[in-house]
Amino acid sequence: EIVLTQSPGTLALSPGERVTLSCRASQSVSSNYLAWYQQKRGQAPRLLIYDASSRATGIPDRFSGGGSGTDFSLTIARLEPEDFAVYYCQQYGSAPLTFGGGTKVDIK
Amino acid sequence: QLQLQESGPGLMKPSETLSLTCTVSGGSISSSFHYWGWIRQPPGKGLEWIGSIYSSGSTYYNPSLKSRVSISVDASKNLFSLNLSSVTAADTAVYYCARLNGDYDPHNYFDPWGQGTLVTVSS
Repeated sequence: EIVLTQSPGTLALSPGERVTLSCRASQSVSSNYLAWYQQKRGQAPRLLIYDASSRATGIPDRFSGGGSGTDFSLTIARLEPEDFAVYYCQQYGSAPLTFGGGTKVDIK
Repeated sequence: QLQLQESGPGLMKPSETLSLTCTVSGGSISSSFHYWGWIRQPPGKGLEWIGSIYSSGSTYYNPSLKSRVSISVDASKNLFSLNLSSVTAADTAVYYCARLNGDYDPHNYFDPWGQGTLVTVSS
């Protein structure tokens, strides 16, 4: 099973700032099959990025994904008020499908 | 627009069997080439994949839950279901259903998701 470790656990930032979230895998993710989701309080996760760097339909271009192998990242170029949420990574390169523990982006 | 909606009991007692249904609208399970899955999230914690099913009935389960999980599909009613036996307080969670992307691919990302349903296990 591939274990995904997200860091940091929580960070507090101001609107307009740039942030990069990390997702590290315990072994190489096949074909860079990694997705990122955003979850707001009381809501279901929403797909942001798939295949490590492809934006899902309707996702603003301030969100970008990168990385390969065992190290992946999600960057939000300029935080908007609606971006304060929890972000999860998920690998689908091998079974079982696994998620990271999440990074919470809080308002400073 | 494809939508998924979970339904089931909100409160259960230990040792009972959890049964949830995911009703799909805006698209047909039987004419879709996708797998459909269940994911859960304990209060304040992260996400855990439970298992996935194809319209033919082919299933994949998380090994950590495999001994207690059964997922079935009723394409005629456009829904799929989750059964989890011998529940304990550790099974208290929001349960989500979702579609897996990709044709005939049980290992993929999830989009879209249902809104989720909270199941609490308590004596």
